Amino acid sequence: QVTLKESGPGILQPSHTLSLTCSFSGFSLSTYGMGVSWIRQPSGKGLEWLASIWWNGNTYNNPSLKSRLTVSKDTSNNQAFLKVTSVDTADTATYYCAHTKYYGYNYYWGQGVMVTVSS
Amino acid sequence: DTVLTQSPALAVSPGERVTISCRASESVSTLMHWYQQKPGQQPKLLIYLASHLESGVPARFSGSGSGTDFTLTIDPVEADDTATYYCQQSWNDPYTFGAGTKLELK
Repeated sequence: QVTLKESGPGILQPSHTLSLTCSFSGFSLSTYGMGVSWIRQPSGKGLEWLASIWWNGNTYNNPSLKSRLTVSKDTSNNQAFLKVTSVDTADTATYYCAHTKYYGYNYYWGQGVMVTVSS
Repeated sequence: DTVLTQSPALAVSPGERVTISCRASESVSTLMHWYQQKPGQQPKLLIYLASHLESGVPARFSGSGSGTDFTLTIDPVEADDTATYYCQQSWNDPYTFGAGTKLELK
């Protein structure tokens, strides 16, 4: 059974760095074709794909966030990480991590973690 | 970016057949996927690669299409299907989602 759970700070100030952790079970990020992606959703709005990391170490960042995103993984401990630098109020959203299959669909999602950027 | 256009909302009666459309601004081959999101919950995968039913999803759900035009069909609709439905493409970078279609039951 695949499970994923996001964890993060809850609230942080503008210009700070957001650090999120995705702890998962039921699959390994060292297995061919497996990936973990980060997607966010502002309250009442749609979904935005942020970043993905794959079994082979390849990463993908949404160019709309330029160089603010860093995605990484700890295969041994079944965790993936997302860092977003220089946050502002527009980064306030629920952040999901998801188990992504090779062809780019999200097979299973975590419950999400709400992040608020506020001074 | 590939823009995915969905109708914002639909209202149908239980037992009816409903089709939810998703039109891409450029071809996405068959790398189109559909999710269901109920209020306060995370999205759930329904259909992947345009027409493949995810395990455990009722056979009332089906998907079709290729290139730029895709459809999610629910037949028959049940009360529990009240949700927002999103399409998502993974053929072009960056991966993108449609804005969602909110399905309400009369």
